[in-house]
Amino acid sequence: GAGVSQSPSNKVTEKGKDVELRCDPISGHTALYWYRQSLGQGLEFLIYFQGNSAPDKSGLPSDRFSAERTGGSVSTLTIQRTQQEDSAVYLCASSSYRVQETQYFGPGTRLLVL
Amino acid sequence: SQQGEEDPQALSIQEGENATMNCSYKTSINNLQWYRQNSGRGLVHLILIRSNEREKHSGRLRVTLDTSKKSSSLLITASRAADTASYFCATDPGLGNAGKSTFGDGTTLTVKP
Repeated sequence: GAGVSQSPSNKVTEKGKDVELRCDPISGHTALYWYRQSLGQGLEFLIYFQGNSAPDKSGLPSDRFSAERTGGSVSTLTIQRTQQEDSAVYLCASSSYRVQETQYFGPGTRLLVL
Repeated sequence: SQQGEEDPQALSIQEGENATMNCSYKTSINNLQWYRQNSGRGLVHLILIRSNEREKHSGRLRVTLDTSKKSSSLLITASRAADTASYFCATDPGLGNAGKSTFGDGTTLTVKP
């Protein structure tokens, strides 16, 4: 079946604008993750959704960042009042269950804040 | 600070040689995974090793885990130019830290034809 998809592939925005990044996980996967990857760096955990449980938002860097997951499937990561330091690749992953299961990653959204 | 730390940061070898990358971590884990990332792409899962396992093989990949030293190694044998990529380890802390697998900064492997 289809893998994890993300849109847009690339996003260029001006400082101060809001952006929305979308993730479509693999059908039936209950867990969904958002990460941020700066150039040449590892992945920074942002937020985690598991089924109907309250999301773990402990990795969100500021209150400008928020995420929703509607109907247990599609997720949207919103960054308000973007700053230049928000420029990075935002990766989404899903898994069928968390413990002892692998994460399947989407291709990412490259965000550039001018 | 990162839970998983890979070394070396960069590795350059000739095709046919073996490549070894190491990962060290700080706290107890439920399992450890290795991922590969081609330039500008998402990560692809390579192999998972559980905390009660010491060695695992998958094709040309061999992963070891030493929980007493809190370290893991990824060996790629008979490397090919197509193995050129960044390799990341990710540690799963298990219960109580749901979803918080942490990734290191990766090892960039270049395999010269």
